[in-house]
Amino acid sequence: EAGVTQSPTHLIKTRGQQATLRCSPISGHTSVYWYQQALGLGLQFLLWYDEGEERNRGNFPPRFSGRQFPNYSSELNVNALELEDSALYLCASTNTWDRGYGYTFGSGTRLTVV
Amino acid sequence: SQQGEEDPQALSIQEGENATMNCSYKTSINNLQWYRQNSGRGLVHLILIRSNEREKHSGRLRVTLDTSKKSSSLLITASRAADTASYFCATAVFIVGFYFGSGTKLNVKP
Repeated sequence: EAGVTQSPTHLIKTRGQQATLRCSPISGHTSVYWYQQALGLGLQFLLWYDEGEERNRGNFPPRFSGRQFPNYSSELNVNALELEDSALYLCASTNTWDRGYGYTFGSGTRLTVV
Repeated sequence: SQQGEEDPQALSIQEGENATMNCSYKTSINNLQWYRQNSGRGLVHLILIRSNEREKHSGRLRVTLDTSKKSSSLLITASRAADTASYFCATAVFIVGFYFGSGTKLNVKP
């Protein structure tokens, strides 16, 4: 069974540009979570998608947005990039109806804004 | 904030010793999970404890949960150099989401 897949692995953008990060959950998982992890810090909750809808979002500005597609894959968009957006972006997936077995994480996308 | 806080922030021990990490959180939870992260990559799920459970074991891992104190502890027994990593607790709150603490960096010296 394939795990959670994130692409690209690395992304370098200049300030002011837009970045698009993608996540494919484990087959059968309908919930996708996005987290931002700045270097050496903990994970900050960004967005939660479930069954195609945004269920909750963390304390981030509106230029962080995303969506979930009918196949439950998800996209995170960051507009008007700022230097402090440089971080590891992690995606996790789980089943909606059974949260008892933990969340499966992808390996992340390392975004560098220069 | 619903995020948990781990304590200590960093822990350095000798191989063979036990490592204990603590996590405190602020709201009622459905379950609490511990994850491990190597070198800033993806997280690996270690163990989940539900809100109605008090203790759980998995191999060399022992997790306790005290919902009255809103705290949990992770004990790694007979630590190995390969256990060197960052460890995070995460609280799952139904409908609201899934929140991580700031992590404990464990260094196990050979």
